[in-house]
Amino acid sequence: ELKVEQNPLFLSMQEGKNYTIYCNYSTTSDRLYWYRQDPGKSLESLFVLLSNGAVKQEGRLMASLDTKARLSTLHITAAVHDLSATYFCAVSPYSGGGADGLTFGKGTHLIIQP
Amino acid sequence: NAGVMQNPRHLVRRRGQEARLRCSPMKGHSHVYWYRQLPEEGLKFMVYLQKENIIDESGMPKERFSAEFPKEGPSILRIQQVVRGDSAAYFCASSYGQVREQYFGPGTRLTVT
Repeated sequence: ELKVEQNPLFLSMQEGKNYTIYCNYSTTSDRLYWYRQDPGKSLESLFVLLSNGAVKQEGRLMASLDTKARLSTLHITAAVHDLSATYFCAVSPYSGGGADGLTFGKGTHLIIQP
Repeated sequence: NAGVMQNPRHLVRRRGQEARLRCSPMKGHSHVYWYRQLPEEGLKFMVYLQKENIIDESGMPKERFSAEFPKEGPSILRIQQVVRGDSAAYFCASSYGQVREQYFGPGTRLTVT
């Protein structure tokens, strides 16, 4: 059974600081997703990482994937209040492509304080 | 291009009643996924459907839950004889293409009283 673990689960940080959220998964997969969820809202797709060594950046967020270590990171640079949300990583259980259900981590609840 | 649509957005049912949740995928998408989110939890995969076919229902409870995606019309997640433990947010997602990125709808928040 595929397991996805995120840490930390809760993070309070100040504006302007840098921090990293970690996502570990238990079985081979070459597709990893990061989503953002605001309270009471749906999930917004942030990044899709498809191969080992993939790195993607959007604004103050950067995501990377190491399939050998089964680890993805979401790095926040110079955080601003608008980034306060819950961030989920999700992994596809099958390698080699194909649509399938995702396994989600429990989410990292991020609060950025002025 | 409208996104994934779900209705109703909020649904209140008494124990023992039936709940029907609807999902219209993005235009051109033929893959639909249903997920359930309990408070303070991540999303749990329930079922994956393509038009007229259930591809993977490994996350569906064995009883009371069913899903369909007919040739015409939205996908339906049906919960019979609801219990309080069914109270959750139910999200639908759709996908298309090789990358198979899933786009999520706004969710239906089911409350069982």
